[in-house]
Amino acid sequence: GAVVSQHPSWVICKSGTSVKIECRSLDFQATTMFWYRQFPKQSLMLMATSNEGSKATYEQGVEKDKFLINHASLTLSTLTVTSAHPEDSSFYICSAQGGVYDYGYTFGSGTRLTVV
Amino acid sequence: AQKVTQAQTEISVVEKEDVTLDCVYETRDTTYYLFWYKQPPSGELVFLIRRNSFDEQNEISGRYSWNFQKSTSSFNFTITASQVVDSAVYFCALSEARRAQKLVFGQGTRLTINP
Repeated sequence: GAVVSQHPSWVICKSGTSVKIECRSLDFQATTMFWYRQFPKQSLMLMATSNEGSKATYEQGVEKDKFLINHASLTLSTLTVTSAHPEDSSFYICSAQGGVYDYGYTFGSGTRLTVV
Repeated sequence: AQKVTQAQTEISVVEKEDVTLDCVYETRDTTYYLFWYKQPPSGELVFLIRRNSFDEQNEISGRYSWNFQKSTSSFNFTITASQVVDSAVYFCALSEARRAQKLVFGQGTRLTINP
């Protein structure tokens, strides 16, 4: 079945630094990628949607200059958290959707980000 | 706007009991998909089921069963003879039946199965 590989699984970084999270679709072409954020004991909230080769569409309240999303190829999407702060500490998870007839969502395993 | 409500924040039962997780949704779309996911402590989302809005047949998969009722906008999930390994957070989710549409998640139900 479809597999999305997400790296790193966890990362600890210092305040003010940037962190890049990668999601790769291993056996299908991800035409659309969704990025979610989940705070402890809360639900998954969509941050942005990106289509290959296009700029990401951000949800209301999500700072696009802080959370940079790149979806330059059909198998790779990245989320970069710039100038990270402790309040950015969260669980980030990507979800990919493939070809024309794909209405499913394949999720990565998630990245737990801790900013100290 | 789409909305998914899981009113049960936490449920705790003893092993082998049956347990039902409720899910109520709101949408103006006539065609949509409903999903259930399991999120164990490790964090990854485990896909359980996807149901098309035109298909109201109940589904059974082993100890899991789902009851979809459009009349009450509900898509409830029942675990029969629960096991400790069923302990997790369960999410109900909704999407429009068009490509590249986001999944809208409910708040999740934390299920604890005690031995």
